Amino acid sequence: GAVVSQHPSWVICKSGTSVKIECRSLDFQATTMFWYRQFPKQSLMLMATSNEGSKATYEQGVEKDKFLINHASLTLSTLTVTSAHPEDSSFYICSARDPQGASYEQYFGPGTRLTVT
Amino acid sequence: AQTVTQSQPEMSVQEAETVTLSCTYDTSENNYYLFWYKQPPSRQMILVIRQEAYKQQNATENRFSVNFQKAAKSFSLKISDSQLGDTAMYFCAFMKPTGGGADGLTFGKGTHLIIQP
Repeated sequence: GAVVSQHPSWVICKSGTSVKIECRSLDFQATTMFWYRQFPKQSLMLMATSNEGSKATYEQGVEKDKFLINHASLTLSTLTVTSAHPEDSSFYICSARDPQGASYEQYFGPGTRLTVT
Repeated sequence: AQTVTQSQPEMSVQEAETVTLSCTYDTSENNYYLFWYKQPPSRQMILVIRQEAYKQQNATENRFSVNFQKAAKSFSLKISDSQLGDTAMYFCAFMKPTGGGADGLTFGKGTHLIIQP
C-alpha cells in the first residue's frame, strides 16, 4: 500500500522561531498533498492544498504568510510555521493523493506534534 | 461549502455488541464521496469505509457497514461484533471530486467510541 511519512514526529520550538515539517510520499509520486491541523480532542481541519510546482491553495482563515507550504517535488511537501507562537501548538497531519489511483484516495502521514514554548 | 455533523461526542458499548455512529452532512453537490476514518491513540488516520454518492448500494467492509441515505443526507456507520481494538475516535468525512482529482476532506467533530470488555 501507499506510504506517507512525516518528519519530525514531534518537535518543540521556542516562541518566535520557525519550524519546518516534511511530508513525503515513499512509494508513489504525489501531485497533490493536503495539510490538516488537529487541536487536542478536536477534529481535523484542512489548512491548504499543495500542488507540485505551483502555489498552495489555502483555506479561508489560514494565514499563508505564517504557514508556508512548498511542494517542490513529486514526493515532498513542506509546511513551515513561521514565527511560531504557543497558539500554533497542534498536531499537523499531511495526506497525499496518488494520481495513478482513484481520485478519492488519500494516504495519511502519521502526523507531527508541534509544541511551542 | 459543505458541513459534516456528528452528534454523538462519545459512545460506549460492550464487546461483541453492535453500535451505530451517526453522521449527517450538508452539500449542494450531487457527486461526492463519504468516508469513515478511525483514529486510534497513535493518531494515525485509518480508512474504515468509503461510499460513492452515485451508488445506491450501501458499502460494507467485513464488520463495518454504512446506511447511506442520500436524500436525507445521512451516512451512519454500523460496527457489528465490536472488538476492543475498535476503541478509537471515528470521523465522518466528505470529499468533492474536482476534475482529475479531488478536494481535501471535510471532517465531522468525531465520535469517541469505547468498547468495554
